[in-house]
Amino acid sequence: AQSVTQLGSHVSVSEGALVLLRCNYSSSVPPYLFWYVQYPNQGLQLLLKYTSAATLVKGINGFEAEFKKSETSFHLTKPSAHMSDAAEYFCAVSFSGGYQKVTFGTGTKLQVIP
Amino acid sequence: SAVISQKPSRDICQRGTSLTIQCQVDSQVTMMFWYRQQPGQSLTLIATANQGSEATYESGFVIDKFPISRPNLTFSTLTVSNMSPEDSSIYLCSVEAITSGRSETQYFGPGTRLLVL
Repeated sequence: AQSVTQLGSHVSVSEGALVLLRCNYSSSVPPYLFWYVQYPNQGLQLLLKYTSAATLVKGINGFEAEFKKSETSFHLTKPSAHMSDAAEYFCAVSFSGGYQKVTFGTGTKLQVIP
Repeated sequence: SAVISQKPSRDICQRGTSLTIQCQVDSQVTMMFWYRQQPGQSLTLIATANQGSEATYESGFVIDKFPISRPNLTFSTLTVSNMSPEDSSIYLCSVEAITSGRSETQYFGPGTRLLVL
């Protein structure tokens, strides 16, 4: 069965520091991978997605993620954290070619310290 | 983009009762989904709401407990039946929308926060 593992349920970074949120997937076939963000009291928003094209995927709000098949990873990064980045981030995987049967990770809450 | 609204935004219900959650999209979409996000946990797909036919349920979810309707391409309802405290959760409506030609994006509604006493 497809699954994703997010390392660290809580991550704290200083404002201006590098953001690194880790995600590993389990799969024997190439997956579709996603990162979503959930701001407090709001619905989920798609940050970026990997669909077997370029391995480095750029998303909204300055975030990007790199697909590494050898490491079965899809870590999310941002060079400089902003206070507005404080939210919960979910990694997700799908093998259906679309948004059906999407499996979500357990989420990582990002705290940005001024 | 697709703007999704859900009603109610939150509710407190007594065990044994049922609650129907509405999901309205501002544009016609092909795929609509219902998710559950239990306290402190991630999202779990309940079912895919199919227009004009029965919903497709994921393992662990059944129609008798979570009946779903989708009468057209912009509207769906999820009913949580015979509720128990274990059903306390956030219920999210989601759609897959075509943007920028072939590009597809998934949008989520703001969720319905349900507390069952």
